[in-house]
Amino acid sequence: QVQLVESGGGVVQPGRSLRLSCEASGFTFSTYAMHWVRQAPGKGLEWVALIWYDGSNKYYADSVKGRFTISRDNSKNTLYLQLNSLRAEETAFYYCAREKYTSGWYYFDYWGQGTLVTVSS
Amino acid sequence: SSELTQDPAVSVALGQTVRITCQGDSLRSYYASWYQQKPGQAPILVIFGNNNRPSGIPDRFSGSSSGNTASLTITGAQAEDEADYYCNSRDSSDNLRVFGTGTKVTVL
Repeated sequence: QVQLVESGGGVVQPGRSLRLSCEASGFTFSTYAMHWVRQAPGKGLEWVALIWYDGSNKYYADSVKGRFTISRDNSKNTLYLQLNSLRAEETAFYYCAREKYTSGWYYFDYWGQGTLVTVSS
Repeated sequence: SSELTQDPAVSVALGQTVRITCQGDSLRSYYASWYQQKPGQAPILVIFGNNNRPSGIPDRFSGSSSGNTASLTITGAQAEDEADYYCNSRDSSDNLRVFGTGTKVTVL
């Protein structure tokens, strides 16, 4: 069965960095685009970043462009998100999600359980 | 980038029908997908590609789309359908993705 397990969250001071990981299993990781989505406590979902199946293309929300970096290691079935220059308002659960593309439809068919990043001094 | 707008909250009597809407320019080019999220849980996919349900999603959930508006309908709402619902689509101008603002559904 498909599983996505995030890790790497924790408490970090404003301006510091953190790297999140998402370990995938139960499917051929190297054939799927992957995303990061975040959700601040009590708030809605916010799309953060996308990486193509082979890592050749990456896209970011304007709010994180230049500070966050999405990457993947297909040999390790793992997705990463490097978070730099963190801000207090970026305290959130960070989810990884698998994207399915079928017949011109884009959707997230599997999600991890999320990892909490708390940005606080 | 695009925006998707949803009503903040709706309520429905047990067994009745509720429709949740999602409006945005990107929906003229791309179908919405819909996600259900219960407190303390990750989102799950309930509708994709206009009106397709993943395995395990009850057939009381359905989707539709017209112009710049996508809709999720729950026909015969159950207590377990009480949750937050989010739409999502690809941005109309580039390869980004965008979520709707979310709708809290309360089953009375």
